[in-house]
Amino acid sequence: AQSVTQPDIHITVSEGASLELRCNYSYGATPYLFWYVQSPGQGLQLLLKYFSGDTLVQGIKGFEAEFKRSQSSFNLRKPSVHWSDAAEYFCAVGALIQGAQKLVFGQGTRLTINP
Amino acid sequence: GAVVSQHPSRVICKSGTSVKIECRSLDFQATTMFWYRQFPKQSLMLMATSNEGSKATYEQGVEKDKFLINHASLTLSTLTVTSAHPEDSSFYICSARGRGTGELFFGEGSRLTVL
Repeated sequence: AQSVTQPDIHITVSEGASLELRCNYSYGATPYLFWYVQSPGQGLQLLLKYFSGDTLVQGIKGFEAEFKRSQSSFNLRKPSVHWSDAAEYFCAVGALIQGAQKLVFGQGTRLTINP
Repeated sequence: GAVVSQHPSRVICKSGTSVKIECRSLDFQATTMFWYRQFPKQSLMLMATSNEGSKATYEQGVEKDKFLINHASLTLSTLTVTSAHPEDSSFYICSARGRGTGELFFGEGSRLTVL
């Protein structure tokens, strides 16, 4: 069955430090992969997505993610975080489930930024 | 990008009453809309998928008589929580997908509190 695992529930980094949020997926076919960000009490904003082609994907706000099929991973990275990056981050896989395209979300990783 | 709007953003109601949440795609025609529920500090759980002009498809464990979904037009889907109880208090998020595109656009979410 399709699933997404984000191993880190909560990560704290200092402002200006680099960031990597982990995401592993389980899906039998070629996955469509997404990273979303959610600020408190808000909906989700798409950071980036991978459908095919170049495995290193650039997104908004300086984020990037790399698809590694051999590791079933799609980790999110940012070279230098800003205080405004504090939020909840969700990895998701687009899966064909019972004939319909659906998004399956990971548990989320809460990012805290230390000044 | 495309805009999806939810209304109301917050609603408080008494136990036993019904509450309707609207999800509108403002600048595109949404052939498919999805309704998610998010408990505090948890991921999004898909409740149902609605296609314009047809009955919604509910995920396992979601009571279709309690969570009524209507997708009467290509720009509007509604979720009605009938006879709401405190355990229905949650953050409800809709997303919409247009014709021929794999990307989902999310609404801002609606926080329901049942007293």
